[in-house]
Amino acid sequence: QVQLQESGPGLVKPSQTLSLTCTVSGASISSDSYYWSWIRQPAGKGLEWIGRIYNSGVTYYNPSLRSRVAMSLDTSENQFSLKLNSVTAADTAVYFCARTTHYANFFDPWGQGTLVTVSS
Amino acid sequence: DIQMTQSPSSLSASVGDRVTITCRASQSVSGYINWYQQKPGKAPYLLIDSVSNLQSGVPLRFSGSGSVTDFTLTISSLQPEDFGSYYCQQSYNVPFTFGPGTKVDI
Repeated sequence: QVQLQESGPGLVKPSQTLSLTCTVSGASISSDSYYWSWIRQPAGKGLEWIGRIYNSGVTYYNPSLRSRVAMSLDTSENQFSLKLNSVTAADTAVYFCARTTHYANFFDPWGQGTLVTVSS
Repeated sequence: DIQMTQSPSSLSASVGDRVTITCRASQSVSGYINWYQQKPGKAPYLLIDSVSNLQSGVPLRFSGSGSVTDFTLTISSLQPEDFGSYYCQQSYNVPFTFGPGTKVDI
């Protein structure tokens, strides 16, 4: 059974960098069949896809966040990570990681999500 | 970006009712529409991929249909455990985008 688990600080100060890690169990992030994505959801609002990373390290970021986002892989730990810099209160959200199929690009499964609050 | 809309934004229905949620894309997304259920405080859960492909373990009362820009999620006989929000997602083109969601109350 594939499981994903987000981890990282729950509170980040404005203008600083949000850093989250997703630990994958039951599957290898080195698989050629999947991408690994980050998605966020502000409280009471809809879902926004942040971007994805492939096992080669190739990334695609949502243009709405591209200037502030970086994703990376740690294959030795079977983890992938998200960094979002210059955060503001608008970046306060629940952040999810998810496995993304290579052929149809749906998200399954998802991590449970982690709330990140941007506040001084 | 492909914009996704959903209707209705919320609905209240009774157990046993047939419920239909509509999703519309701003341009053709071919067969690349996926549906998720989300319960409060939980991550979204994939119900259907590629318009109509029901995921393993998802009850048969859920079905999906549609093409080009217009898609439908149907719950044939609403059950108490079906409360929550439902989101469509287009996976035709990056950036992948979601509909705003439909909240279903029982």
